[in-house]
Amino acid sequence: AQSVTQPDARVTVSEGASLQLRCKYSYSATPYLFWYVQYPRQGLQMLLKYYSGDPVVQGVNGFEAEFSKSDSSFHLRKASVHWSDSAVYFCAVSPNTDKVVFGTGTRLQVSP
Amino acid sequence: NAGVIQTPRHKVTGKGQEATLWCEPISGHSAVFWYRQTIVQGLEFLTYFRNQAPIDDSGMPKERFSAQMPNQSHSTLKIQSTQPQDSAVYLCASSEQGSDEQYFGPGTRLTVL
Repeated sequence: AQSVTQPDARVTVSEGASLQLRCKYSYSATPYLFWYVQYPRQGLQMLLKYYSGDPVVQGVNGFEAEFSKSDSSFHLRKASVHWSDSAVYFCAVSPNTDKVVFGTGTRLQVSP
Repeated sequence: NAGVIQTPRHKVTGKGQEATLWCEPISGHSAVFWYRQTIVQGLEFLTYFRNQAPIDDSGMPKERFSAQMPNQSHSTLKIQSTQPQDSAVYLCASSEQGSDEQYFGPGTRLTVL
């Protein structure tokens, strides 16, 4: 069965600093990979997705993620974070376009 | 477009009581998903429907949980004889036919005393 591991429960970075949130997946083939964000008191929103092709995918608000088959990873990056990026970020995997398995999430705190 | 609507936003029940949670998907979306979110377990898949038909309920606790989608405009998640461990935020999401993006509602926070 597929699974997702987000090893960092909490990450704190200073505003303007770069960011990397880690995600490792377990699946026999190359699954569909997603990053979702959950802002306070809101539902989850999809940031970006990867199916195939260029391993670096661009998302909204300056986020990007890089797929690595050799490392079974799909880390999320941003060059310069803003205080409004403070939220919980979920990595997710799916063998198709329906059922999605989410990681436990990483809470990002951007300090001024 | 009002997005996915979930009611109530908060529900408090006593142990042993029944709780019914409602979800109204985005109009035109063919799939509805239910998840449970807790601090300890994170986001757990419960069940989903496509075109009102139940497709996968592998995440549903079998004994007290049930979900229905009587029409394309709403789905319900019913928990009978609620227990304190059922306390969680229950999230509903919908997606269009052929699309991988799930649109989430704000969730219903269930507290079982």
